[in-house]
Amino acid sequence: ETGVTQTPRHLVMGMTNKKSLKCEQHLGHNAMYWYKQSAKKPLELMFVYNFKEQTENNSVPSRFSPECPNSSHLFLHLHTLQPEDSALYLCASSQGLAGRQETQYFGPGTRLLVL
Amino acid sequence: GQQVMQIPQYQHVQEGEDFTTYCNSSTTLSNIQWYKQRPGGHPVFLIQLVKSGEVKKQKRLTFQFGEAKKNSSLHITATQTTDVGTYFCAVRSRGGATNKLIFGTGTLLAVQP
Repeated sequence: ETGVTQTPRHLVMGMTNKKSLKCEQHLGHNAMYWYKQSAKKPLELMFVYNFKEQTENNSVPSRFSPECPNSSHLFLHLHTLQPEDSALYLCASSQGLAGRQETQYFGPGTRLLVL
Repeated sequence: GQQVMQIPQYQHVQEGEDFTTYCNSSTTLSNIQWYKQRPGGHPVFLIQLVKSGEVKKQKRLTFQFGEAKKNSSLHITATQTTDVGTYFCAVRSRGGATNKLIFGTGTLLAVQP
């Protein structure tokens, strides 16, 4: 499945580093999402973008900064993270049709380790 | 906030045995989705249920939506090792964007050959 791609697949960073996660979808979708998946926790929605506009920020700390330059690309900029931010970060996309609970297509994720 | 609970958290079965996971919500749902995540993989959409009491089948998988639209179940008949993974239900969030999903806590299925 190559509909949604994410890079890098693995990332190790120090608490003072700045890094960015990239997501690209090739499905012609208009909605994109960032999720965080930690061990023993439910999948947590972080941000939602519809037609490049952020429509949901699920009380995410400011050290996570999303960017959506167009409907096909989504970034998550990371700055001064904490060890507890270590997790699998999943990107997803959906058609973006209003009023519907749509199928979401997930990328393979970036496994992040913060030292 | 809105929560979606799944039980059990973990189940270990012998290959060939049946398996069921349950998803429960405190609020009435408009619809519900099910996803599967293989170990080391990402969630993959399985199905969406919309109608009260709806039952859908995909080969050995049977999905059911409760009459009150507050719960759902996924039943696998005669499990195989390929069924290993975590099964999540997902529901539409109350308020906020309509495409905001709340994922259940998940049930991890282990199948012993």
